[in-house]
Amino acid sequence: EAQVTQNPRYLITVTGKKLTVTCSQNMNHEYMSWYRQDPGLGLRQIYYSMNVEVTDKGDVPEGYKVSRKEKRNFPLILESPSPNQTSLYFCASGSGTLHFGNGTRLTVT
Amino acid sequence: GENVEQHPSTLSVQEGDSAVIKCTYSDSASNYFPWYKQELGKRPQLIIDIRSNVGEKKDQRIAVTLNKTAKHFSLHITETQPEDSAVYFCAASWEYGNKLVFGAGTILRVKS
Repeated sequence: EAQVTQNPRYLITVTGKKLTVTCSQNMNHEYMSWYRQDPGLGLRQIYYSMNVEVTDKGDVPEGYKVSRKEKRNFPLILESPSPNQTSLYFCASGSGTLHFGNGTRLTVT
Repeated sequence: GENVEQHPSTLSVQEGDSAVIKCTYSDSASNYFPWYKQELGKRPQLIIDIRSNVGEKKDQRIAVTLNKTAKHFSLHITETQPEDSAVYFCAASWEYGNKLVFGAGTILRVKS
């Protein structure tokens, strides 16, 4: 089954404790992206990747890192999470049409 | 960069009525305009899209219209049903799906 898999689905952490949200797709897509969803603000792009070892900032990249060492994986790294990064995060991949993962609800206290 | 504005933020309609959601975009180079539906607690999913060489596209009860001159596009849902209740996002891109910029979303409630 073609899908984008994110883990974990829910995560509660404390300020400053490094975390990684994983994202994997099995559709051989070159393009992958991370979004955060906040009420009233829609889906805002954090980082995107056009291919392996090619990443670029989206609209809200501050406080986040990504890597793209393999085509299928695109992890999102928060080196020092802060409460303003509490949000719902979506990974997506696509070749034209974007396919979204199930989301990761992150709470930073 | 691209900026997409979406209106209204919430929309309530009676079952069977039509619903219209409107979006405007700022970058005249944008050429791809998808609409996503997000049901409560679920991921956004594409419901219809249109490219800039087409003025209108229809798929059963949903249709999208595009006015390139005015830089706006709209989603039309006819004969609304309770299962149409969801958040709808419009988006725009000049790279066919890459670097999509989303609107803020519209909460559609269909009352039965």
